[in-house]
Amino acid sequence: KQEVTQIPAALSVPEGENLVLNCSFTDSAIYNLQWFRQDPGKGLTSLLLIQSSQREQTSGRLNASLDKSSGRSTLYIAASQPGDSATYLCAVFFGNEKLTFGTGTRLTIIP
Amino acid sequence: EAQVTQNPRYLITVTGKKLTVTCSQNMNHEYMSWYRQDPGLGLRQIYYSMNVEVTDKGDVPEGYKVSRKEKRNFPLILESPSPNQTSLYFCASSGVGTGHYGYTFGSGTRLTVV
Repeated sequence: KQEVTQIPAALSVPEGENLVLNCSFTDSAIYNLQWFRQDPGKGLTSLLLIQSSQREQTSGRLNASLDKSSGRSTLYIAASQPGDSATYLCAVFFGNEKLTFGTGTRLTIIP
Repeated sequence: EAQVTQNPRYLITVTGKKLTVTCSQNMNHEYMSWYRQDPGLGLRQIYYSMNVEVTDKGDVPEGYKVSRKEKRNFPLILESPSPNQTSLYFCASSGVGTGHYGYTFGSGTRLTVV
């Protein structure tokens, strides 16, 4: 069964610190992986999309990596800010006409 | 602005009263899909559509209907809503290759069935 796991479920860090969010998936035959941000009760905002042929993608203070062989992706956030507080979702496209989501990591940045 | 638009954002209804949640995208995407999000269960796919007049069931299709008469629109229909359909619903779209170019999601519809 194709599954996506995100650990930890919640994370609190002081403002200004660099941090890493983890995502693991059970099947290495993926097409792409997408990281989303979700604010409470709100929609999903796409942060980064990594195609299966890529190793990483960067956008501003965010950097996402992909290691298909080990079934892992990380989202690195540099110099965290209170505005980064949100739930971060990892979603994998295994080619079966849907995204398979992890249950997310709820991030709190402490001012 | 490229976007997926859902309406309404919030809806409270009574058991058995038919309702429709609309979804529209302005990116000329072939692929559209509906998800529901529930605490502890994450996001689960309800239905998807590969193109006009082509729809198929996702993981949790029971109690829902969809139609795709136009490329830009993909409404979600609840013929007889029940309280277990209380949830946060998201519509999503993607370009050619279904997912190869990433998904764009709408802002969500919070549905409460009493």
